[in-house]
Amino acid sequence: NAGVTQTPKFRILKIGQSMTLQCAQDMNHNYMYWYRQDPGMGLKLIYYSVGAGITDKGEVPNGYNVSRSTTEDFPLRLELAAPSQTSVYFCASSHGTALSYEQYFGPGTRLTVT
Amino acid sequence: RKEVEQDPGPFNVPEGATVAFNCTYSNSASQSFFWYRQDCRKEPKLLMSVYSSGNEDGRFTAQLNRASQYISLLIRDSKLSDSATYLCVVPSGTGGSYIPTFGRGTSLIVHP
Repeated sequence: NAGVTQTPKFRILKIGQSMTLQCAQDMNHNYMYWYRQDPGMGLKLIYYSVGAGITDKGEVPNGYNVSRSTTEDFPLRLELAAPSQTSVYFCASSHGTALSYEQYFGPGTRLTVT
Repeated sequence: RKEVEQDPGPFNVPEGATVAFNCTYSNSASQSFFWYRQDCRKEPKLLMSVYSSGNEDGRFTAQLNRASQYISLLIRDSKLSDSATYLCVVPSGTGGSYIPTFGRGTSLIVHP
């Protein structure tokens, strides 16, 4: 099992550009999540999905969009990148039930917007 | 009160010391709690789960105090390799749908 994979590992964007962060998992998990982590801070939930075709906003969804067409993939789209979106982005997955809640994280994408 | 609060530290301790971190939460309906470990510039990884009063795994003990709404993580005989940030996670939700809320983490530095 590869677990949760993310691409790219690093990216530098100019203000106003767009990009898609890729996330895939091979554990057949229903739940998938996107977080951002700013320096010295905890993880903030951007969007999450409880299954294919179902997505919902987290704490900080503005400036982002997601889709979940398959169980395995959960891409995050940034439109019109802004310096405030400079952060480390983590994708995670889990079974999502109260007793099987361990989240597995990808290695992260380090994004800089200049 | 914030949903999940942690003292950011850093906690600076010598090898062999015992150190404890607390995490307070606001949602009294939460049933399960988690501690994750995050190394510098790496992804978080699950350290311990707490579903009832507590859990122990080797040098690590997690305890839950529902009355005061906090969980604690105790590390005995600290090793240099324990240096990391420890994240408290409290899922909340209804109907079997659990969405996690992360604390900002507590930084631990173990020195020789």
